[in-house]
Parts: sequence; structure tokens; C-alpha cells
Amino acid sequence: DIQMTQSPSSLSASVGDRVTITCRASQGISNYLAWFQQQPGKAPKSLIYAASSLQSGVPSKFSGSGSGTDFTLTISSLQPEDFATYYCQQYNTYPPTFGQGTKLEIK
Amino acid sequence: EVQLVESGGGLVQPGRSLRLSCAVSGFSFDDYAMHWVRQAPGKGLEWVSGITWNSGNIAYADSVKGRFTMSRDNAKNSLYLQMNSLRADDTAFYYCAKDMGAIAAAGTSFDYWGQGTLVTVSS
Repeated sequence: DIQMTQSPSSLSASVGDRVTITCRASQGISNYLAWFQQQPGKAPKSLIYAASSLQSGVPSKFSGSGSGTDFTLTISSLQPEDFATYYCQQYNTYPPTFGQGTKLEIK
Repeated sequence: EVQLVESGGGLVQPGRSLRLSCAVSGFSFDDYAMHWVRQAPGKGLEWVSGITWNSGNIAYADSVKGRFTMSRDNAKNSLYLQMNSLRADDTAFYYCAKDMGAIAAAGTSFDYWGQGTLVTVSS
């Protein structure tokens, strides 16, 4: 199975900040990379697919980039509702696998 | 509005069975593949199973293969997960998720998720 490693595992930031989360695949996955947001006690929500394409209704403050093995999720102008856990997922090869998550906390 | 609503979770003893359901609305169910993803309390996400639009192909994670069976009824807009020989490490929230394509294969991700149903395996 392809291993997905996110860094950092946790991150503290302030409202208004811009943050970047990194996801690395154990082998090349082209651009078959998705990002999900999970707020405490809620279901995951899809943010980005194909490494950089926003899902319908997702604000442009979220952006993704990368290809091959290295990917990033950038969130600009953090708002209180953005403090959550973020997961990357590869879907280049079955089974689809997720990173361990990055918990974004308010500083 | 796309909606996925899971049900059927609960407390079950090790070795017993449980059947989860996912009722969907707001999209053409029989055009899309579907998945089950689980999350142990306080842990990360784990893909469990995926099924093509017509049930022609069903894939399972190694951790559940031979114990879990995924199925769908397109006439009822419903998805199912039959879980047998349950173990303590099956304890998790179970989410159904909609695929962005018709075939549960490499190349398409998930776009909508249900709210989840909690399965607790304990004596």
C-alpha cells in the first residue's frame, strides 16, 4: 500500500494567518491527491481533488499544489471555522490511503 | 442537496454481526461508485470497502476481507455493509462516501460523506 505522511502532525496559528500543510507519498501518485477537512465531532468534508481542484462550494482561500510525491495544502486568512484536522488521500492506487492527519489549532 | 445518512451502528459483542445502511438522496445514486470509510475514536481515516455503480466490482481493505460484505440496492438508493466476526479493533465511526465516478477504481476520489454511525465492539 502507498504510505502517506503529513507534516506537521499539529500546527498552531492565529486568526488571519496563512498556513501550509505538506503531504508526501511513498511512491509517485501523479496528481491523484485529495484533501479533506474534519471539524471536531463532524464528518470529513472534501476540499480538493486532483491535487489542486477545489470541490464545489469550497472557498478559494484553500489551495493545493504538487505532483508526484510531494503536495501542499495552503489555507489563507484563517478563520475560527478553519481550525480542524486535515487529511490528504491518494487515489492513484488501490487501496486508497490517507495521511495521519494534521491538527490545526488556534494559538 | 446531496445527503448520505448512515444507520445501524451500536454496541455488539466480539464475534457477532452487524449490518450498516446508508440512505442517499440528492443525486443519481446508480451513476456513482460508493465507499465505506471508518475512523477509530481519536484516530485517522481508513478506507474499508468500495463498490462500482452496478455492483460489478467490490473491493475490500485487507483488514476486513472475508468478514465484511458491501452491497447496494440502486432501486432503494441504499448502500449496505454486512459486518461479521466483529473484533474490538473494528470499533469505529463508519462513514459512507460518494465517489466522483462510476467505478470504484484508482483515479477518482470522494466528494460527499455521511455523518457516520458508531460501531462499538465490546463484551
